[in-house]
Amino acid sequence: GAGVSQSPSNKVTEKGKDVELRCDPISGHTALYWYRQSLGQGLEFLIYFQGNSAPDKSGLPSDRFSAERTGGSVSTLTIQRTQQEDSAVYLCASSHQGGRETQYFGPGTRLLVL
Amino acid sequence: GNSVTQMEGPVTLSEEAFLTINCTYTATGYPSLFWYVQYPGEGLQLLLKATKADDKGSNKGFEATYRKETTSFHLEKGSVQVSDSAVYFCALSVPPGNTGKLIFGQGTTLQVKP
Repeated sequence: GAGVSQSPSNKVTEKGKDVELRCDPISGHTALYWYRQSLGQGLEFLIYFQGNSAPDKSGLPSDRFSAERTGGSVSTLTIQRTQQEDSAVYLCASSHQGGRETQYFGPGTRLLVL
Repeated sequence: GNSVTQMEGPVTLSEEAFLTINCTYTATGYPSLFWYVQYPGEGLQLLLKATKADDKGSNKGFEATYRKETTSFHLEKGSVQVSDSAVYFCALSVPPGNTGKLIFGQGTTLQVKP
């Protein structure tokens, strides 16, 4: 079956612009996670969804970052007024129900802020 | 707080050599422990996991044992191949209220030479 997909695969934007990153989880997976992979900070958790609600947003680095999930499926991560330090690979993962279950990762979106 | 520490890389080995990548953790509860691998140009994949003390995870010839007394989860393989060249990440997730969010180590790059 299809894995986790993310789009776009690459995004180049100018400082100050808004960007939207999309994640399509594996069908039937209720848990969805966003992570960020950057040279300076390694792999960091951003936000967790269970269904359409986000019980854990503790990793979002600032109020410029937001995310939503609709229909218990697709999720969008939005970064407003992008800064150069936002440049990173943004990874999405899903699991069947969260908790100790295996998370399956998408290929990521590579964001470059000029 | 919760954290994961991995040995720094890069690790360079000849084919058929023995591999150990050290991983130690700090956790407030009883974590589940994971090794993820990222092959060049590919997304993160779960390599193996262990959910309680003394469990051994294994996959593709790799093994790791959950050692509560030493808070460690070292990755081992008896005979590495060139195809094992990748970045390896140790990670944990902690209950209770376990969202399943992963806390990653910094990653260790393994290069295997023919």
